[in-house]
Amino acid sequence: SQQGEEDPQALSIQEGENATMNCSYKTSINNLQWYRQNSGRGLVHLILIRSNEREKHSGRLRVTLDTSKKSSSLLITASRAADTASYFCATAANNAGNMLTFGGGTRLMVKP
Amino acid sequence: DTGVSQDPRHKITKRGQNVTFRCDPISEHNRLYWYRQTLGQGPEFLTYFQNEAQLEKSRLLSDRFSAERPKGSFSTLEIQRTEQGDSAMYLCASSFHLASSYNEQFFGPGTRLTVL
Repeated sequence: SQQGEEDPQALSIQEGENATMNCSYKTSINNLQWYRQNSGRGLVHLILIRSNEREKHSGRLRVTLDTSKKSSSLLITASRAADTASYFCATAANNAGNMLTFGGGTRLMVKP
Repeated sequence: DTGVSQDPRHKITKRGQNVTFRCDPISEHNRLYWYRQTLGQGPEFLTYFQNEAQLEKSRLLSDRFSAERPKGSFSTLEIQRTEQGDSAMYLCASSFHLASSYNEQFFGPGTRLTVL
């Protein structure tokens, strides 16, 4: 079963706008990661945030983590058509990364 | 290309047939993972290996599924007596495990299975 839920399930924006996706999870975690998946392709790792971190940046990506609410958000600033993809959060229960538990994903469409 | 590779990329089979997929991890990665992803859902963990040892299996891995990693390099995932519910994308990932640090998993392109 899925660990978490992503919200919204689908998001459509214009190029240049910001996109915000949220993820909630159920159990305690060691870290949370975000992945991107283009249609019919494998997953690409975007960013990892550890349970003792509250915010992290990577290029146009900003991730926040609120462990008290068991939630995370991914912000993509100044979106581009090439950002069109599905975005998944995944949690790891320990540092060994034995298995990742994924949410259901947000399907982002960026219109040119 | 030195990433994770999977073969075949697509497989169409009839219900009741056996299928086998192969995954070649990134060279020197000692951990290999299998996930299954159905349409519109996130991937679900199936099993993982450290070298040739299969260390964890999900409840999703019924007795019709078997995975091997005989020499600690490539892995195969076999599904016997396929059912229509087995239709999904099967994803492989690999990582280099260090006990004291997080180990990022690198994913392959997946094998899409369609059971008619």
